[in-house]
Amino acid sequence: GNSVTQMEGPVTLSEEAFLTINCTYTATGYPSLFWYVQYPGEGLQLLLKATKADDKGSNKGFEATYRKETTSFHLEKGSVQVSDSAVYFCAPGDNQGGKLIFGQGTELSVKP
Amino acid sequence: GAVVSQHPSRVICKSGTSVKIECRSLDFQATTMFWYRQFPKKSLMLMATSNEGSKATYEQGVEKDKFLINHASLTLSTLTVTSAHPEDSSFYICSAYDTDNEQFFGPGTRLTVL
Repeated sequence: GNSVTQMEGPVTLSEEAFLTINCTYTATGYPSLFWYVQYPGEGLQLLLKATKADDKGSNKGFEATYRKETTSFHLEKGSVQVSDSAVYFCAPGDNQGGKLIFGQGTELSVKP
Repeated sequence: GAVVSQHPSRVICKSGTSVKIECRSLDFQATTMFWYRQFPKKSLMLMATSNEGSKATYEQGVEKDKFLINHASLTLSTLTVTSAHPEDSSFYICSAYDTDNEQFFGPGTRLTVL
């Protein structure tokens, strides 16, 4: 079945720093790829997604590109804000029924 | 985006009792809902897939007789933790899957078994 390996946290950055959270996956076929974010005390929210190779998902200044050759979907943001402090989850999905397999989550803490 | 609610948000119960958690999709119909368990500082573990009008599909290692799932309508799935014990204390999260290949998550239910 699908599996995912995500960069371990916690990650602590200063405001306006560049962010990369690595994510690699193993899967049969070509799954859709998702990044979810969980802000403190809240439920998971979809941050961005990509459904095929070379697609770039983007939202709120975050980006991730579906790299089939390296089976990766790294999350990046050029300039983080304090409000980006949250836990980020990478998740490949199967294309039959929507099952998601979550990475272990990466906690991001942005300091002013 | 679509909204998924969970009720209750927190529940404390005595060991040996049963607890029911509801998951509702408020503005769309979901033929499939998922139930997850999240441990502190840990990832979400998929427990089961709930399909409207049929039996749930449980992941390996999840006791189906302990975690009863019912998906009686297109907007409601329930998870009942039967004969709960302290080790069942956790954060339970549901999600509803729409036909656009996206899952919408509920806010979660914190279960504490004394």
